[in-house]
Amino acid sequence: DIQMTQSPSTLSASVGDRVTITCRASQYINTYLAWYQQKPGKAPKVLIYEASSLESGVPSRFGGSGSGTEFTLTISSLQPDDFATYHCQQYHRYWSFGQGTKVENK
Amino acid sequence: EVQLVESGGGLVKPGGSLRLSCAASGFTFSTFTMNWVRQTPGKGLEWLSSIDGSGTYIYYADSVKGRFTISRDNAKNSLSLQMSSLRVEDSAVYYCARDSNYGSLWGQGTLVTVSS
Repeated sequence: DIQMTQSPSTLSASVGDRVTITCRASQYINTYLAWYQQKPGKAPKVLIYEASSLESGVPSRFGGSGSGTEFTLTISSLQPDDFATYHCQQYHRYWSFGQGTKVENK
Repeated sequence: EVQLVESGGGLVKPGGSLRLSCAASGFTFSTFTMNWVRQTPGKGLEWLSSIDGSGTYIYYADSVKGRFTISRDNAKNSLSLQMSSLRVEDSAVYYCARDSNYGSLWGQGTLVTVSS
């Protein structure tokens, strides 16, 4: 099984901050990596796929990078609507998810 | 409208069974692999099972293999998950998700509680 490890688990930030979340895969996954945003009581919503491709309709302040085993999600300027939990997911072999990163208001 | 809607969740005793359904609309259901994923506060998101568009290729996570059965009815645009021998640790919100390699569309989820 491919294990996905996100850091940090919780991140405190303010509106306007640049935010970076890291995801590490336990083995090589090329760029088969997606990022999701999830708000309480709602389903995950895809932001980024193939490590760096922006899903249609997602604001350009969201960006993804990385390949192999190390990946990053960056929010260039945090907006009020961005306080949520973010999950990474590998789809190189079946699916597996990171444990999530909660972005909270400082 | 393009959407997935799950149903069938509820309270069940340990050892019991439950069948979840997922109704798809707004897209060509038969052309997509579909997945079931569950979420608990403690373990986060956990992939459970996938089924290809024709229903030929089916895969399960080890945690549910032998207890859960995924199926689909393309004529009814419907996905199902038959769950048996349920355990307390199966309590979770269960989502169906459309597979575009990644999860391109998710339902709103249905809550399953396994408790005596």
